[in-house]
Amino acid sequence: DVKVTQSSRYLVKRTGEKVFLECVQDMDHENMFWYRQDPGLGLRLIYFSYDVKMKEKGDIPEGYSVSREKKERFSLILESASTNQTSMYLCASSLPQQGGAFFGQGTRLTVV
Amino acid sequence: AQKITQTQPGMFVQEKEAVTLDCTYDTSDPSYGLFWYKQPSSGEMIFLIYQGSYDQQNATEGRYSLNFQKARKSANLVISASQLGDSAMYFCAMREGGLTGGGNKLTFGTGTQLKVEL
Repeated sequence: DVKVTQSSRYLVKRTGEKVFLECVQDMDHENMFWYRQDPGLGLRLIYFSYDVKMKEKGDIPEGYSVSREKKERFSLILESASTNQTSMYLCASSLPQQGGAFFGQGTRLTVV
Repeated sequence: AQKITQTQPGMFVQEKEAVTLDCTYDTSDPSYGLFWYKQPSSGEMIFLIYQGSYDQQNATEGRYSLNFQKARKSANLVISASQLGDSAMYFCAMREGGLTGGGNKLTFGTGTQLKVEL
């Protein structure tokens, strides 16, 4: 059974903190993605990676960075958390020849 | 311009009835793929169905079918014989470009909240 695992379901952080969201997949997928989901806005792509150490900006990269040191792990970093980054964060992975994506269970982040 | 448009923020359907969730898309790429995902209240995203731009037939998966009208750029999801467990948020998504190359990122619509009633 394919699996994408996000390190936390719920997270509460303070404004200004550096926040790490971790995602691990066990399917040997090349592509990995971080999305943000907000009511009425759907899912918006923050960053994606198509290989180890390779990354590209998505539609809303401001205030975020990513790290992919190993194929199975893709980390999203909030350099200095702000209240407008309170959201649901979804990690996904896929194969290049597949096109679709498998998602983790999501991390609901609250910044206070 | 929105690449994926879902114009129905919320829909109600009675159990055992069929329901159509609308999705229109915008792309100039001749090669693309269209997807539907279901998100129950628990939050996980569940893949439902896929349609490739070159597929001649509409995709079907059990009670789900995709009504693909290429000229109209629409990819509506049809759920037959609705069940209470179908109550969820439904997202339409598109992958542009061929299957080779990096990325294959998916662009999502804003979703439709479906409520199935007794």
